[in-house]
Amino acid sequence: GAVVSQHPSWVICKSGTSVKIECRSLDFQATTMFWYRQFPKQSLMLMATSNEGSKATYEQGVEKDKFLINHASLTLSTLTVTSAHPEDSSFYICSARKEEQYFGPGTRLTVT
Amino acid sequence: DAKTTQPPSMDCAEGRAANLPCNHSTISGNEYVYWYRQIHSQGPQYIIHGLKNNETNEMASLIITEDRKSSTLILPHATLRDTAVYYCIVSQYNQGGKLIFGQGTELSVKP
Repeated sequence: GAVVSQHPSWVICKSGTSVKIECRSLDFQATTMFWYRQFPKQSLMLMATSNEGSKATYEQGVEKDKFLINHASLTLSTLTVTSAHPEDSSFYICSARKEEQYFGPGTRLTVT
Repeated sequence: DAKTTQPPSMDCAEGRAANLPCNHSTISGNEYVYWYRQIHSQGPQYIIHGLKNNETNEMASLIITEDRKSSTLILPHATLRDTAVYYCIVSQYNQGGKLIFGQGTELSVKP
């Protein structure tokens, strides 16, 4: 199979600060990566589609100025949560497109 | 993308087959059926996918009805490590579509 990693696996930050989460495809190149958010006891919610070398496509209701996505290379996409607030606390999961979609292990963000 | 309906939870005895149903009555001709599972606090794991023929791999079997309006994921010999939330997704993913997750089925495998 294909391996997708995320860093960090968990992060705690103070309200008002920004946090960057990295998503890497370790053994394949991915022109398309996806970012999801998951609240406790809920399903995954697709936030945006990240395409290498172009702007991300955000799902309806997701603030693109708050969740900045950069897909600068074929193996790396980053999600920056800007001016984080406690309601942004969640489990953020990325995935990369190959024949199937392969998911990272997730990043637990807690905003205090 | 077509919507799917799954039972919210199921139990299965260890060593027995787990049969997880999924209804997708509005599936269109070029949409595939995908199954993923998510073990607690981890990223989802791909299991299997199919268009209209039954599929089998080392993890599971996928049975799709002839009218394609429903499918069943079969874990032939469930183990405790198969306890997870199982998601059935209908998508044109292979043509550039997205995977939109529903609520899934929480499968509990019991000793």
